Amino acid sequence: EVQVVESGGGLVKPGGSLRLSCAASGFSFSTATMNWVRQAPGKGLEWVSSINRDGVYIYYADSVKGRFTISRDDAKNSLYLQMNSLRAEDTAVYYCARDSSKFAFDPWGQGTLVTVSS
Amino acid sequence: QSALTQPASVSGSPGQSITISCTGTSSDVGGYNYVSWYQQHPGKAPKLMIYEVTNRPSGVSNRFSGSKSGNTASLTISGLQAEDEADYYCSSYTRTSTLVVFGGGTKLTVL
Repeated sequence: EVQVVESGGGLVKPGGSLRLSCAASGFSFSTATMNWVRQAPGKGLEWVSSINRDGVYIYYADSVKGRFTISRDDAKNSLYLQMNSLRAEDTAVYYCARDSSKFAFDPWGQGTLVTVSS
Repeated sequence: QSALTQPASVSGSPGQSITISCTGTSSDVGGYNYVSWYQQHPGKAPKLMIYEVTNRPSGVSNRFSGSKSGNTASLTISGLQAEDEADYYCSSYTRTSTLVVFGGGTKLTVL
């Protein structure tokens, strides 16, 4: 079964850091472009970051540029999102998703909740 | 404010057809055939329903179809069923500094 499973979310204070992980299985992770997408409570989807198969092409939303870092470990079939200088507006469920076609995301994980609050 | 514009809500009766629009610009929807549609039930992860404007992933009902005209993409659901009640999001590649943009989402109510 093709799937991704996120972990690492939690409660963090403003200005703090958190590292999210995404474990992939059932497909060739090393050849896949991977993404992070987030959804604030009661709000819509927001694309966060993308990394291509060899980590050469990395993109970020303007809202997280300079604070978040996406990375991957193909040996562990894992995707990561290092989040620094967290703000209240970063509070959201963070989803990991494979790029199954041109900029189409499938599958999605169940998400991991990040809450930034003092 | 989302980069792509969708109606906040649409509704239809079982068996009817509905269409959800997704309006962007020539920098995204109008300029590329990289529009996707996602279905999201409450508390669940999004599910890909349409990719590259018109293509359905394996396992997605043929009651779902996509199209595009100019800067506006559309998702049509025919033969509405109760299980189709969900939020629907469009997305597109964009040549701006952001790689992918989403619409604000449309809540579909099956009456």
